[in-house]
Amino acid sequence: AQSVTQLGSHVSVSEGALVLLRCNYSSSVPPYLFWYVQYPNQGLQLLLKYTTGATLVKGINGFEAEFKKSETSFHLTKPSAHMSDAAEYFCAVKVVRGNNRLAFGKGNQVVVIP
Amino acid sequence: DGGITQSPKYLFRKEGQNVTLSCEQNLNHDAMYWYRQDPGQGLRLIYYSQIVNDFQKGDIAEGYSVSREKKESFPLTVTSAQKNPTAFYLCASSINRPGLAGTGELFFGEGSRLTVL
Repeated sequence: AQSVTQLGSHVSVSEGALVLLRCNYSSSVPPYLFWYVQYPNQGLQLLLKYTTGATLVKGINGFEAEFKKSETSFHLTKPSAHMSDAAEYFCAVKVVRGNNRLAFGKGNQVVVIP
Repeated sequence: DGGITQSPKYLFRKEGQNVTLSCEQNLNHDAMYWYRQDPGQGLRLIYYSQIVNDFQKGDIAEGYSVSREKKESFPLTVTSAQKNPTAFYLCASSINRPGLAGTGELFFGEGSRLTVL
């Protein structure tokens, strides 16, 4: 079964510094990969997704992620953190052949330090 | 605007009581899902439904029940058999056409926070 690993439940980053959230997946077939963001007491909002084609994917709010098949990774980055980036971030994987179930990682709580 | 509406936003329940969480969508999506979120544990799938009048258990279905009588609605009942029901519950939907893979993107509601007193 497909699964996702996100290391480090809490990530602290200084305002203006690089944001890097790591995601590794396991899947026996080419995956579809997603990053979602969640603000306190709200639902999840899609940041970006990889399905096929270009491996560097750009999303909303200045985030991007790169699919690396050889490393089974889909790390999320943003060059310069803003206070509004403080939120929880989830990586998720879907197996292409099958239903639309997603497997979610445990999430990274991002704290931005002024 | 199209979207997913969950109600109530906050709910308090006494032990031994059943409660029903509402989820309505006007996105014309075929598939709907219920997830449970606990701090540090990510999202865990409770039940999902790919078409009307059909649903499947997810990873943590014990103590929960659902129905899918209409395409737009997928209510979740938290029964007294659920040992630890205090959690944040998220409803989601996605396009699901039989025979097509689809991207799998889920659209989420704002969530319902259930607290057992």
